[in-house]
Amino acid sequence: EAGVTQFPSHSVIEKGQTVTLRCDPISGHDNLYWYRRVMGKEIKFLLHFVKESKQDESGMPNNRFLAERTGGTYSTLKVQPAELEDSGVYFCASSPRKFRGFNTDTQYFGPGTRLTVL
Amino acid sequence: KQEVTQIPAALSVPEGENLVLNCSFTDSAIYNLQWFRQDPGKGLTSLLLIQSSQREQTSGRLNASLDKSSGRSTLYIAASQPGDSATYLCAVPNSGNTPLVFGKGTRLSVIA
Repeated sequence: EAGVTQFPSHSVIEKGQTVTLRCDPISGHDNLYWYRRVMGKEIKFLLHFVKESKQDESGMPNNRFLAERTGGTYSTLKVQPAELEDSGVYFCASSPRKFRGFNTDTQYFGPGTRLTVL
Repeated sequence: KQEVTQIPAALSVPEGENLVLNCSFTDSAIYNLQWFRQDPGKGLTSLLLIQSSQREQTSGRLNASLDKSSGRSTLYIAASQPGDSATYLCAVPNSGNTPLVFGKGTRLSVIA
């Protein structure tokens, strides 16, 4: 079974440019999460999708960040325009829904996209 | 607001030593607790998940305990090896399928 994949692995852009990160969750996982780790800080939640719907976007830092999950499969996270403080590692995670009461809450993480804004 | 603290921030031990990593959380109303491992430049690998009704989970040389009432978890690594060198992260959701709240991690170095 393929794991969570993210593209690109690294991105270096200049302040003011636009970048789009992509996440492909494990097939069949309804839950998809975006997290971010900035230098020296803990990993922090950005956004949670259940299928194609945004369940919780309380962690999105501002309106320069736009996440989509059309069709409930892969997700994109666009940063436009990028600022210096957006630099960090962006992780995507997925998990299945509960099925017949069986707890399947483990979140499976992708390798992350390292974003550097110059 | 849930906060997760991990102590120590960094740890260096000689190979073969047993060690304990600590995690504390402020809100005891957790659904479960996960320990992850992160290697440099890599993603997070789930090591152990303890449900709120459980006291501990074991996987190989790893044993994680959970004391929900006191807001603490420990990750015990037996007979440490250089390959165990990584950052270990503790994370809790407040309920099922909700976002994880992470600690800053403990960076472990096992010296051969």
